[in-house]
Amino acid sequence: GENVEQHPSTLSVQEGDSAVIKCTYSDSASNYFPWYKQELGKRPQLIIDIRSNVGEKKDQRIAVTLNKTAKHFSLHITETQPEDSAVYFCAAKGETGGSYIPTFGRGTSLIVHP
Amino acid sequence: SAVISQKPSRDICQRGTSLTIQCQVDSQVTMMFWYRQQPGQSLTLIATANQGSEATYESGFVIDKFPISRPNLTFSTLTVSNMSPEDSSIYLCSGRQTGELFFGEGSRLTVL
Repeated sequence: GENVEQHPSTLSVQEGDSAVIKCTYSDSASNYFPWYKQELGKRPQLIIDIRSNVGEKKDQRIAVTLNKTAKHFSLHITETQPEDSAVYFCAAKGETGGSYIPTFGRGTSLIVHP
Repeated sequence: SAVISQKPSRDICQRGTSLTIQCQVDSQVTMMFWYRQQPGQSLTLIATANQGSEATYESGFVIDKFPISRPNLTFSTLTVSNMSPEDSSIYLCSGRQTGELFFGEGSRLTVL
């Protein structure tokens, strides 16, 4: 099955700095890569996703890049703000009978210091 | 996207008892899933809740311990049976709609 590695486990930045979280996956057939943000005590929420036919996608201060050859994808947050502090999970969708069952990384705890 | 209401939001349970978590979606969804999230850890898939048939369990999870029901396209339950302290965790219901996976708020269980 799919295996997703995520680094770093903790990331501490100053407000205004950029933050980058990296993930690798093992299943070359994976074709959908979502990122989730989970604030303390809250549910995970989808913040951005990318499909394998696209190399990069941006949405305001966040962007995701995908390198299918190397089987890695990254989340980039620019001009970080204290409200960006949360745990971020990457995921990769493997193919299991056509159903959508993503495999999640272990999460990155992002701390933005004001 | 659809909204999932999950309850209870938290509970403290005694060893050996069972607890049922309910998950209600405000619209029909094709796929529903149950995840476990232990403190500071990632999301581990327990099972896929299949409407009208038995759930599909992931390796390490069995029906006797985590019986699941899904009587229709908007509702599912997960029971954590014969609980032990190792079952203390957050249990999350999720659904899939238009390709996107969305989650309930989670149920935080503490087993004493």
